[in-house]
Amino acid sequence: SYALTQPTSVSAAPGQTATISCGGNDIGSKGVHWYQQKPGQAPVLVIRYDGDRPSGIPERFFGSNSGNTATLTISRVEADDEADYYCQVWDNNNDHPGIIFGGGTTLTVL
Amino acid sequence: QVQLVQSGAEVKKPGSSVRVSCRSSGGTFSSYAISWARQAPGQGLEWLGGIIPIFGITKYAQRFQGRLTITAGESTSTAYMELSSLGSEDTAMYYCARSNSGTTTLGDAYIIWGQGTMVTVSS
Repeated sequence: SYALTQPTSVSAAPGQTATISCGGNDIGSKGVHWYQQKPGQAPVLVIRYDGDRPSGIPERFFGSNSGNTATLTISRVEADDEADYYCQVWDNNNDHPGIIFGGGTTLTVL
Repeated sequence: QVQLVQSGAEVKKPGSSVRVSCRSSGGTFSSYAISWARQAPGQGLEWLGGIIPIFGITKYAQRFQGRLTITAGESTSTAYMELSSLGSEDTAMYYCARSNSGTTTLGDAYIIWGQGTMVTVSS
């Protein structure tokens, strides 16, 4: 079955850039969505279909997707960005299609 | 602004079933994709299944086939998730989520999420 691999944790100092990867076989051929989740809260969509930002999401959030890796880049990191981040794809497996989430990455703002 | 309001926390015995509702404050689900996901304490997100009422599309994650039922009528504003044969491993926060716009794929992005329903399975 299809699997997505994310680093367990990343860290960045305020004002720096944080990069979170999401690896999967030929993920570049799939649409990738990214969610931010803070403790005790529901996930929030921050990037849809590789690089599109929903209304209200700062331009500091940027997504890209190519080959076997999708990437969420957060520039000028702020304390409020500290959260867990999950990537999501649709696995069009003929037998059992479904949504696959990455394992999640905890962003720590130093 | 549309909100999804889920039913309250549940405590269930092993082997029993749980039904969680998800009500939209802003109209029917109709052409939107509705998915259910869960999150065990301290763990990541796991997709259970989803539905697009207007197209009659319902899909379940393989590991829940046979014990998961997701329903939502075309003209209703409430979706339901029922999970049977509960075990301790089903203890988790359960979320419903809705796509941003009408869609033909459950793989769309989910922009509106419910507040979550905690289901605890304990003898």
